[in-house]
Amino acid sequence: AQSVAQPEDQVNVAEGNPLTVKCTYSVSGNPYLFWYVQYPNRGLQFLLKYITGDNLVKGSYGFEAEFNKSQTSFHLKKPSALVSDSALYFCAVRPRMDSSYKLIFGSGTRLLVRP
Amino acid sequence: GAGVSQTPSNKVTEKGKYVELRCDPISGHTALYWYRQSLGQGPEFLIYFQGTGAADDSGLPNDRFFAVRPEGSVSTLKIQRTERGDSAVYLCASSPRGAADTQYFGPGTRLTVL
Repeated sequence: AQSVAQPEDQVNVAEGNPLTVKCTYSVSGNPYLFWYVQYPNRGLQFLLKYITGDNLVKGSYGFEAEFNKSQTSFHLKKPSALVSDSALYFCAVRPRMDSSYKLIFGSGTRLLVRP
Repeated sequence: GAGVSQTPSNKVTEKGKYVELRCDPISGHTALYWYRQSLGQGPEFLIYFQGTGAADDSGLPNDRFFAVRPEGSVSTLKIQRTERGDSAVYLCASSPRGAADTQYFGPGTRLTVL
């Protein structure tokens, strides 16, 4: 079965420190990979995606993600965290060979950035 | 420009009642998706439209759930004989068309079945 794993329910970092939110997937082929962020009582906001090419993808608000094919991972990173980055982060994949464009989401990781 | 909008933002109903949830996608987007997000979980796919037709409805949990998109724009998710287990946030997303296109999400409708 195709799945996405976000092994950490919560990540705690101090403001100004680098952050990493982990994501691994089990999907056949090379899927399209996405990160979304969700603030309280709001919908999902797109951060970045990997389609092809450079394994390091840059996105909104200073976030970036690194695609690692051998480890089937797509970890989200930011060099210097802000308190305002505190939110719920979701990794999602879309199987490249799937005729349906549906996204498969992980269970989410809550990021808490302390001042 | 305007994003994806969903109405109502909140819906409280009683067990056994019928509900309709509406999604208005970004103008020009031909693909539209419905997802359901239960508390503490990631969104789960329900149904995907390409234009007016349902291209993939494999995520609908049972025949109480139905969705339409008659003119290829606005979509309505319909739930018959609601059950307490249907309580969740229902998210709608739209994308231009292509396989690699980003899906843009609406704010969701929080459905509570008493």
